[in-house]
Amino acid sequence: DQQVKQNSPSLSVQEGRISILNCDYTNSMFDYFLWYKKYPAEGPTFLISISSIKDKNEDGRFTVFLNKSAKHLSLHIVPSQPGDSAVYFCAASGTGGTSYGKLTFGQGTILTVHP
Amino acid sequence: NAGVTQTPKFQVLKTGQSMTLQCAQDMNHNSMYWYRQDPGMGLRLIYYSASEGTTDKGEVPNGYNVSRLNKREFSLRLESAAPSQTSVYFCASSESGQSNNEKLFFGSGTQLSVL
Repeated sequence: DQQVKQNSPSLSVQEGRISILNCDYTNSMFDYFLWYKKYPAEGPTFLISISSIKDKNEDGRFTVFLNKSAKHLSLHIVPSQPGDSAVYFCAASGTGGTSYGKLTFGQGTILTVHP
Repeated sequence: NAGVTQTPKFQVLKTGQSMTLQCAQDMNHNSMYWYRQDPGMGLRLIYYSASEGTTDKGEVPNGYNVSRLNKREFSLRLESAAPSQTSVYFCASSESGQSNNEKLFFGSGTQLSVL
C-alpha cells in the first residue's frame, strides 16, 4: 500500500522551461511534506518543504504547492537548469512525537533537463 | 564537513552470510535512521533510533538488527543475508526527531548485492 505516490517515473524538459513534478498521498494524517533531490552515487538531500497549514512555499527557483483537499502536491522548478537533472523524491511526515523524522517516500521521478 | 559517513560503499554477499553496515554522524544529532531504496519503491524505513539508547522498527524491519552504539554511531546488521535484501542502504540523521519540519541528512549509501 503506497501511501505516497509519484506516478511519473521520468520527466524531460528543456533548459529554461518549467519543470513540474507531482505527488499524491492517501494518508490524511500526513501534515508535513518534503522534497528531496538525489544525484547518482549520492544520498538524497533536502530541497524544500511545506506544512499542511500552507498551500505554497517558495525558495528561489523552487516552489511547492499543496492541495490538501485533493491530497496532492507539486514541485515547480523555474527556470529549469541542466544541473537540476536528478531523481526527485516526495516525502511525507505525520503528527506525533516519535513519528517526526520517519518519512514515507514516493517512488521518485527522474528529471532530465536538456541544454 | 563529513556529515553522515557510511561504510562500506559496495558489498557482495552470498546467501546466508552476515555483515554489518556502519554509519557515523558528526553533527551531534540525536536521531538516526536506516532506509533501503529499491527500484520503483522509493526509500523505506528499516529501523530508527530516536535518541541514544533507543531503537525501534520501521516499515520493513524483518531480517535486520540495529545497534545504537553511542550518539554518533548506528549500525545495521544482516544476520543471514537473502537475495531479497539486495538494495541500496542509506543511513540518515536528524537533529532531534521531535519536530515535523526536521530535515534528514543522508549518507552516500551502501550498494549491497546478495547472490
